[in-house]
Amino acid sequence: NAGVTQTPKFQVLKTGQSMTLQCAQDMNHEYMSWYRQDPGMGLRLIHYSVGAGITDQGEVPNGYNVSRSTTEDFPLRLLSAAPSQTSVYFCASSYSMDSHIPYNSPLHFGNGTRLTVT
Amino acid sequence: KNEVEQSPQNLTAQEGEFITINCSYSVGISALHWLQQHPGGGIVSLFMLSSGKKKHGRLIATINIQEKHSSLHITASHPRDSAVYICAVRRLFYGGSQGNLIFGKGTKLSVKP
Repeated sequence: NAGVTQTPKFQVLKTGQSMTLQCAQDMNHEYMSWYRQDPGMGLRLIHYSVGAGITDQGEVPNGYNVSRSTTEDFPLRLLSAAPSQTSVYFCASSYSMDSHIPYNSPLHFGNGTRLTVT
Repeated sequence: KNEVEQSPQNLTAQEGEFITINCSYSVGISALHWLQQHPGGGIVSLFMLSSGKKKHGRLIATINIQEKHSSLHITASHPRDSAVYICAVRRLFYGGSQGNLIFGKGTKLSVKP
């Protein structure tokens, strides 16, 4: 049981390049999400998914795409990297975000990806 | 005004001191999470609670739903407790751009030997 596996750990991109951050979980979690963490801003939601085939935008979705073709995987794509996307990215999952099922639904985070766009 | 406010933003303590970090929120919630992030490290879930109190080792988390307030206490603090502690609330009504979770900005704790 590996939990949430996030790759790569570090990445440097040039402006305009594209890349995919990978996130996989082996806990059969419904809910998966991507956050970016910037100094003084806290964690901000980029995109999230409540199950295979279902995704929705978060607070800061511009410049990012996601898909959820399987329960396990939730990749985040940067279409054309910009310096403003320099940040630390975290993938997180939970059994459910249904407000009627709060129990046994702790958050599990990946180890983060430190992305620099030059 | 942020929907989740943490205080203090920064906290320096001497080893052995009793520490309290506070989290106040303004929305209806179904649960509250306390998370820990060590410098340069990943984020670990410490507690998820919807009422009362939970204890794990030297860490204690309490929540008062009526007052919309939670506290994280660390007894007999140690330098290895130095980290950022983040409060996150799970909103009662699903949806919207926040995807049901709202995060505080974190409390940076430094425990000196």
